[in-house]
Amino acid sequence: EAQVTQNPRYLITVTGKKLTVTCSQNMNHEYMSWYRQDPGLGLRQIYYSMNVEVTDKGDVPEGYKVSRKEKRNFPLILESPSPNQTSLYFCASSPSIGVQRGYTFGSGTRLTVV
Amino acid sequence: KNEVEQSPQNLTAQEGEFITINCSYSVGISALHWLQQHPGGGIVSLFMLSSGKKKHGRLIATINIQEKHSSLHITASHPRDSAVYICAVNRPGGGADGLTFGKGTHLIIQP
Repeated sequence: EAQVTQNPRYLITVTGKKLTVTCSQNMNHEYMSWYRQDPGLGLRQIYYSMNVEVTDKGDVPEGYKVSRKEKRNFPLILESPSPNQTSLYFCASSPSIGVQRGYTFGSGTRLTVV
Repeated sequence: KNEVEQSPQNLTAQEGEFITINCSYSVGISALHWLQQHPGGGIVSLFMLSSGKKKHGRLIATINIQEKHSSLHITASHPRDSAVYICAVNRPGGGADGLTFGKGTHLIIQP
């Protein structure tokens, strides 16, 4: 089944403790991205990647890192999480930017930083 | 002013009613997306439009590029249609995909 898999689904952590949220897709998509969703603000892009080893900042990249060493994986790294990073996070993939195709979203990761 | 505006923000209707959710945008776009988010959080892509109209089951999406406006219609609505519906647009050019989201329309269909 074609899908984007995020792990974990839920995570409670403490301020400053490094964490990684994994994202993997099995559709050979070139494009992957991370979003956070907050009440009243909607979805906002954190980082995106147009292919292996090609990543760039979105609208709200502060406090986050990403890597794209393989086409299928696009982990989101919070090196020193803070309470303002408490949010619902989504990973998504798409075949390519230049091709008008839809996006496939992961199931989301609800992160709480205390 | 947000680049993507949706209306209404909240909508409660009775089962069987015809539902319309509107999306207006203020930027040039290459495509517009309608997404559905059920309680519990998962997001599903419903439609991607660059012109005209698309239909999938009881869902219909239209776009008017000149007026920078799109609508999502649900015919014969059902309680399982209760969800948040999100409009998003791709802005052409540049490095980013330019996916900009509306804040969503929270739809409740009562039996």
